[in-house]
Amino acid sequence: EAQVTQNPRYLITVTGKKLTVTCSQNMNHEYMSWYRQDPGLGLRQIYYSMNVEVTDKGDVPEGYKVSRKEKRNFPLILESPSPNQTSLYFCASSTWTGNTQYFGPGTRLTVL
Amino acid sequence: AQTVTQSQPEMSVQEAETVTLSCTYDTSESDYYLFWYKQPPSRQMILVIRQEAYKQQNATENRFSVNFQKAAKSFSLKISDSQLGDAAMYFCAYRYANTGNQFYFGTGTSLTVIP
Repeated sequence: EAQVTQNPRYLITVTGKKLTVTCSQNMNHEYMSWYRQDPGLGLRQIYYSMNVEVTDKGDVPEGYKVSRKEKRNFPLILESPSPNQTSLYFCASSTWTGNTQYFGPGTRLTVL
Repeated sequence: AQTVTQSQPEMSVQEAETVTLSCTYDTSESDYYLFWYKQPPSRQMILVIRQEAYKQQNATENRFSVNFQKAAKSFSLKISDSQLGDAAMYFCAYRYANTGNQFYFGTGTSLTVIP
């Protein structure tokens, strides 16, 4: 089954404790993205990648890191999480045309 | 940066009736894509419909259709014969055709379907 998976689905952590949210897709897609969703703000793109070792900043990259060492994986790293990073996070992937994004199920992150 | 505006935070519709959700966007580009996504309570993001800016014909997908007005930079979604399962948050999104992977989303419209 074609899908984008994210782990964990729920995470509660404390300020400053490094964490990684994993994202994996099995569709051999070139493009991958991370978004955060906050009430009243919609989805905002954090980082995106157009292929292995090619990443770029989206609208809200501060406080986040990404890497794309393999085509299928695109982890999101929070080196020192803060409460304002409490949000719902989505990973998405698409072919190079980018016409249809496939979204993961979301990760609910709470930073205390 | 591009902006996408959804001016209706909440809408409601009677079951079996028709509802239109509004979306406007700001861009200086001529080649781009527009999307409507549905997010039900499960939080899963589901693509409803897609429109290529170079196409004059409005996209349709079963009960869902769009009214794409390129000059006015307007992209509304019409849901016909509304069903209870249509209740969800709907997001409008924009992607410039040649930037690869930058997407811009609106703030969403919460649709309630009244039985």
